[in-house]
Amino acid sequence: AQKITQTQPGMFVQEKEAVTLDCTYDTSDQSYGLFWYKQPSSGEMIFLIYQGSYDEQNATEGRYSLNFQKARKSANLVISASQLGDSAMYFCAMREGVGAGSYQLTFGKGTKLSVIP
Amino acid sequence: GAVVSQHPSWVICKSGTSVKIECRSLDFQATTMFWYRQFPKQSLMLMATSNEGSKATYEQGVEKDKFLINHASLTLSTLTVTSAHPEDSSFYICSARDSGLAGGTDTQYFGPGTRLTVL
Repeated sequence: AQKITQTQPGMFVQEKEAVTLDCTYDTSDQSYGLFWYKQPSSGEMIFLIYQGSYDEQNATEGRYSLNFQKARKSANLVISASQLGDSAMYFCAMREGVGAGSYQLTFGKGTKLSVIP
Repeated sequence: GAVVSQHPSWVICKSGTSVKIECRSLDFQATTMFWYRQFPKQSLMLMATSNEGSKATYEQGVEKDKFLINHASLTLSTLTVTSAHPEDSSFYICSARDSGLAGGTDTQYFGPGTRLTVL
C-alpha cells in the first residue's frame, strides 16, 4: 500500500483564487511528520510547510496552510490567493517514527498545479 | 537560512566515465544527507542515506559500487557515478537534514539538482 497518496495528477486554478491539493497518508506510527514541497520546472525542491502529528493546530506559512485531519489521515495543502509563480509540481511527504531510521522521507507522486491568468 | 548547494547543475559525459556530484549545506551542519534520483514526471526515489563519518546506507536495488557516496564533513557529501552508462542519465538531487537543534523543525532541505546526461 502506498504510504502517501496524492490523487490529483494535475490541477488548474484561476489566479488570485484559493486551491486545495490533496494528500492522504498511511502509517501505524504515533509520531510522524508531514511535509509539502514545491518543485518548479527548474527542478529545485522548495520546502513549504510542516505539520507534526502531535501539533494540535494546523500549520500555516504565509499563503500556505495545511488542513490536517488526523482521524482521516489527510494533510491537504491550501494555497490562498494563487499567483502565476505557484505553477509547479507539489509533493506531499511523510517522515515516520523517531530515531535514526526516521530521518527518511516518503514522497507522494505529486500534483502539477497550473495557475491560469 | 537552510541553503543547500549542488554542483554541477548539469553534466554531459561519455559512456564509461565517472562523474562526481557535490552537495553542500551552506549555513548549517548536516550529519545526514540524502541522495535521490528523479525520472521525468515522476516522484523522487531515495537512493541512499549518507551519514557523516560512516558508510552510506543504500536502498534496495541501488548498486553501491556504482553510486559511491562519501560524507567526509558535516557540510559536504559527494555522489560519484562510476562507469556511467546512458541508463544512468537522470536528475540527481540531494538533501541535507537540518535537525532543528538550533531552532525550527527537523527538516530536509534540497539542493537544486544535477541533470546528468550520459552519451
